[in-house]
Amino acid sequence: DSGVTQTPKHLITATGQRVTLRCSPRSGDLSVYWYQQSLDQGLQFLIQYYNGEERAKGNILERFSAQQFPDLHSELNLSSLELGDSALYFCASSVGSTGGKMTQYFGPGTRLLVL
Amino acid sequence: AQSVTQLGSHVSVSEGALVLLRCNYSSSVPPYLFWYVQYPNQGLQLLLKYTTGATLVKGINGFEAEFKKSETSFHLTKPSAHMSDAAEYFCAVTPSGGSYIPTFGRGTSLIVHP
Repeated sequence: DSGVTQTPKHLITATGQRVTLRCSPRSGDLSVYWYQQSLDQGLQFLIQYYNGEERAKGNILERFSAQQFPDLHSELNLSSLELGDSALYFCASSVGSTGGKMTQYFGPGTRLLVL
Repeated sequence: AQSVTQLGSHVSVSEGALVLLRCNYSSSVPPYLFWYVQYPNQGLQLLLKYTTGATLVKGINGFEAEFKKSETSFHLTKPSAHMSDAAEYFCAVTPSGGSYIPTFGRGTSLIVHP
């Protein structure tokens, strides 16, 4: 158990819909990272937040957005969903903001299926 | 820009045999290098990482990796495979400067035969 929690574990929805994935980092961790894992694209970094502020942005679509709240939990919002958005979405956390060499602790993921 | 190539999407070994998972990278700045393991239906877990210093890095579960700058490689090894090592392994690189933008390899599935 990494100490990172993600809800829900599974999500089934329809094209065009909007969903919210939630992540709670390990106690004391200030950084949260979001990743997408799919068969087509492999594991892709989406975005990083540190103490409520966006720190780095990867291959995140404009239809996707994220935020980190004062209690440090984070939400990833996916809108206008397409079939190709079906994937595993992971959240990870680390203590600091310098993500380059920080050890990240991954949650168990949310499996999203868009029908 | 950076990229990671993991040679072999599947590697099959017998229990007790040497495990060698290959990773080559390209990076325009000195990299930080990582190996992660992913067991079925779980998130990634860090095995080991290279940031600076000694180029031979020891990780958990008996794994180690050596950073070879001249070969731009960071291969993962374990002297003796266990059945419990069967999993997906990912090599990743992040730049040592600038924003944190990691790049992951496509993964290598390690199969361990009794």
